[in-house]
Formats: sequence, structure tokens, C-alpha cells
Amino acid sequence: GAGVSQSPRYKVAKRGQDVALRCDPISGHVSLFWYQQALGQGPEFLTYFQNEAQLDKSGLPSDRFFAERPEGSVSTLKIQRTQQEDSAVYLCASSLVSGEREQFFGPGTRLTVL
Amino acid sequence: AQSVTQLGSHVSVSEGALVLLRCNYSSSVPPYLFWYVQYPNQGLQLLLKYTSAATLVKGINGFEAEFKKSETSFHLTKPSAHMSDAAEYFCAVTPNSGGYQKVTFGIGTKLQVIP
Repeated sequence: GAGVSQSPRYKVAKRGQDVALRCDPISGHVSLFWYQQALGQGPEFLTYFQNEAQLDKSGLPSDRFFAERPEGSVSTLKIQRTQQEDSAVYLCASSLVSGEREQFFGPGTRLTVL
Repeated sequence: AQSVTQLGSHVSVSEGALVLLRCNYSSSVPPYLFWYVQYPNQGLQLLLKYTSAATLVKGINGFEAEFKKSETSFHLTKPSAHMSDAAEYFCAVTPNSGGYQKVTFGIGTKLQVIP
């Protein structure tokens, strides 16, 4: 079956613009994660959903970052008033059940803020 | 609290030579440990995982890793490097306990394979 997909793959934004990044997890996967991967770094946890419930948002760097998963499948990560430091690859991952440690990653969205 | 340290942000090996990528972990509870590979412009792909069963774990593409509690290590090895192994490798740790737990990644090691 299809893996995790993300769109767009590349996004260029001017500083101050709002952006929305989409993640389509593997069908039936309960858990969904967002990570931020800065250049030369490993993925850093942003937020976690179990179905439609956002159970952990402790990694969101500021209140400009907002994520939702209203129907428990597709998720959107929104960044308001983008700043240059938001430039990174944003990775989405899903896993079949809560507590399942193996996560399946999408290809990421590379965000560049000018 | 948990963390991983990957020693060597860049490793170069000759084609056919042994690959050794180092990972040391810190965890206040027994851990699950993972190695992921990332090819350019792609997401992370799971190579192998340790979940407290066998300490020697075999993964895809001929890679394996050994969990050594006394050394708090989970080094990744492959006997003979192939050009297609050139990629970035990430070690990750999460607590071995029920329910949702955060996964913490290392900063990665870029593997270069020289023909």
C-alpha cells in the first residue's frame, strides 16, 4: 500500500507569510507525528496525535506553530508569520497503534523562508 | 530523560570495507533503540530496531547492530560497504514502557563510500 505522503515537497515563503504543510499518513495508522529537521541535524519532535486528539505538543517552538488532524487521518501543520529560523525540513511519520515505536516517515517538506 | 550521541558526523569508508557507525545512548529506563537511514531528499527508513529481545539485531541491506548495556552502546555495522550505502544514518532511542513515548534522534552520521 501507499506510504506516508507529504505536500508540498518544497515551499518557499517570504518572511511573515503563513504556510500550511500537509501529511497523509498510512491508511489506518492511529498515531501521527511531526518533526522538524534543521540542516545538519536529526529530526526534532514537534507534536503527536492519536487519532484526532493532539496528545503532545510540547515540541512546538512557538505559538506561531499549530497542527491539526480533525478527522483522525490527514494532518496539517500551519506556521504563521514565518521567520527565517523556521527554514527546515518538516517530516511527518505515522505508526499503526499508540505505543508502537516503529514509525513510518514521509519524504518531508523543505521549507525555505526568505 | 533520554538521548543518543553519534560519534562522527562524517564517516568515509572504501567500497568493500567494514562500516562502523557509533551510537551511545542515555536512558533512565530500559530503552528501545533504532537505526534509520535517510537518502537525499527522502524521509527516514527503518534499518533495524532493538526491543529487548536478542541483543544482536539484524536489519535490512546487510546491516546489524549489537545492544551492549554495559557500554550503553548500539553501534551499527556492515561487513562490506556498497556504493548504495552512501546516505545519512540516524540512531534513535525511546523508553521501553507502555503507551506513547517520544522518540529522540541523534544528529546523524553521513556515510561516504569511496570507490
